[in-house]
Amino acid sequence: QSVLTQPPSVSAAPGQKVTISCSGSSSNIGNNYVSWYQQLPGTAPKLLIYENNKRPSGIPDRFSGSKSGTSATLGITGLQTGDEADYYCGTWDSSLSAGGVVFGGGTKLTVL
Amino acid sequence: QVQLQESGPGLVKPSETLSLTCTVSGGSISSYYWSWIRQPPGKGLEWIGYIYYSGSTNYNPSLKSRVTISVDTSKNQFSLKLSSVTAADTAVYYCARDTIVVEAAGTANWFDPWGQGTLVTVSS
Repeated sequence: QSVLTQPPSVSAAPGQKVTISCSGSSSNIGNNYVSWYQQLPGTAPKLLIYENNKRPSGIPDRFSGSKSGTSATLGITGLQTGDEADYYCGTWDSSLSAGGVVFGGGTKLTVL
Repeated sequence: QVQLQESGPGLVKPSETLSLTCTVSGGSISSYYWSWIRQPPGKGLEWIGYIYYSGSTNYNPSLKSRVTISVDTSKNQFSLKLSSVTAADTAVYYCARDTIVVEAAGTANWFDPWGQGTLVTVSS
């Protein structure tokens, strides 16, 4: 059981837009920043978004992040078949004794 | 650019200690945090813990009693030891550079880059 809640799966057609939600609490998302990771099949996760809405160099602006209260959202526009992957949110959790990192359970994106 | 590579046995017997090393190349291990993260087959990510280059550590409370993370700055490596393993510890283990920034609006943390991961199976 993950600390952060994500939908198990989402799907959309090529060229369309999809959003993936990540729900937490005041001890994690509500008072800390969120990061997002893309895990293509058989590969290591890759950083997509950090500090809620910032993109590392090389990540296209089709990927966006936002946060409101105790929830965060990853948006992907202009879907491509190469976007089929598992997506994870992560954040700092202040309820852990010295603080620590928690993840969502992951969302599998299918591009129909 | 910075690259990370995990190494260690792929098979560990129950009750024994899992030992992995992460070698950092293309940059110095200094001035950063370094984390271990694992992923059981078909499941999600679990943060194990981090070490600062100076040696200070922070572990996931659920694993704290069995985990030790250490650093060797002379070799640009950091290591993971997980004791008393069971089948539940079977997972792909990743090492990653961990950026932690404490800001007025909260703590920001992100992992980048990651190693390719190494599968460790616990079985007799």
